[in-house]
Amino acid sequence: GDSVTQMEGPVTLSEEAFLTINCTYTATGYPSLFWYVQYPGEGLQLLLKATKADDKGSNKGFEATYRKETTSFHLEKGSVQVSDSAVYFCALRDTGANSKLTFGKGITLSVRP
Amino acid sequence: EPEVTQTPSHQVTQMGQEVILRCVPISNHLYFYWYRQILGQKVEFLVSFYNNEISEKSEIFDDQFSVERPDGSNFTLKIRSTKLEDSAMYFCASTWGTGRENIQYFGAGTRLSVL
Repeated sequence: GDSVTQMEGPVTLSEEAFLTINCTYTATGYPSLFWYVQYPGEGLQLLLKATKADDKGSNKGFEATYRKETTSFHLEKGSVQVSDSAVYFCALRDTGANSKLTFGKGITLSVRP
Repeated sequence: EPEVTQTPSHQVTQMGQEVILRCVPISNHLYFYWYRQILGQKVEFLVSFYNNEISEKSEIFDDQFSVERPDGSNFTLKIRSTKLEDSAMYFCASTWGTGRENIQYFGAGTRLSVL
């Protein structure tokens, strides 16, 4: 079945540091890929997405590229801010009607001033 | 911006009791979902709902669980006889369609604590 693997956390960085959060997936079809973010006390919010190979999703300075050859969708940001502190979830949605999201475990990012 | 609303934010119940978790999806959405996250574990799919019937469910979604859209706005998850292992954060989501570009929008979740 489908699965998503995220690097183990938590991750603690200083403000303005470079961020990489690794995500790899296995899927039976040709999935769409997503990063969701959860700020304290809030729901899951879509951060960015990519729907086909080599697409780059970007939002709020975050980027991730759909790499079909390595089945990866790593999240990067060049300079993190304290306000980026949150839990980040990688997810895929496989092809087909009513397709559910399959999530990774999530990783907590803490950015210190 | 439209949002998915879940109530209550925290529900405490005794083992064996019935609970109903409530969700108000975004008004023009057609597909509805429940997910859950046990503390420290992955967000897991429970069930999807379309056109007033379940379209897919996971192995977690056994006979103790049911979903309903009792009116044009609410979408509920009922657990008939709660177990300790049902303690989790429950997320409701909705989307307009299921094409590759469609996004599922999530509520803030209901934390269920079974004592």
